[in-house]
Amino acid sequence: AQKVTQAQTEISVVEKEDVTLDCVYETRDTTYYLFWYKQPPSGELVFLIRRNSFDEQNEISGRYSWNFQKSTSSFNFTITASQVVDSAVYFCALSAIKAAGNKLTFGGGTRVLVKP
Amino acid sequence: DTGVSQDPRHKITKRGQNVTFRCDPISEHNRLYWYRQTLGQGPEFLTYFQNEAQLEKSRLLSNRFSAERPKGSFSTLEIQRTEQGDSAMYLCASSLDGGGANVLTFGAGSRLTVL
Repeated sequence: AQKVTQAQTEISVVEKEDVTLDCVYETRDTTYYLFWYKQPPSGELVFLIRRNSFDEQNEISGRYSWNFQKSTSSFNFTITASQVVDSAVYFCALSAIKAAGNKLTFGGGTRVLVKP
Repeated sequence: DTGVSQDPRHKITKRGQNVTFRCDPISEHNRLYWYRQTLGQGPEFLTYFQNEAQLEKSRLLSNRFSAERPKGSFSTLEIQRTEQGDSAMYLCASSLDGGGANVLTFGAGSRLTVL
């Protein structure tokens, strides 16, 4: 069975502050993919990043960065210099590479509120 | 390519009525998924199709729920004899074939309220 835990239910920051979202996962699969999705108030889940279990290199894309640590089963996400437009619910998700259907198991989400 | 479309966006119904949601995936995507999202929770997998074949159904999908993808293009999700516990956002997603690597593209969802 797979499980994704996002312990932070809501984070509130002032614009330009950095915010880090935690994600811890459980899986018996040795090969898997991890994802982050953003869900703005409009409701549509927007893909942000995908990492495979063999690649532990951290990644930076603009103001977004990701820290994947297989030893602690964590895949944390940082928004640097947050902006009001970053306000959304962010979901971490897991997919086993060998599983049929590549269905995603999602965490409960972290709501980020960026105040001006 | 206009992405994944879902219709209707909102549906309010009385308990016991039947409702049907439609999903139009990205045209070249052969996989189609239905997820359910309740307030404050992450999406939960319901079922998925590879072309017209329904390959997996979650235990969440009771016998009141049925999904079809008759020609491997659009899909419908029908809920019969709705209950208040069915109130949720029903999300559709599509992807290319290819194992766990493929990114799912989601629609904006159909929000169901059962009174």
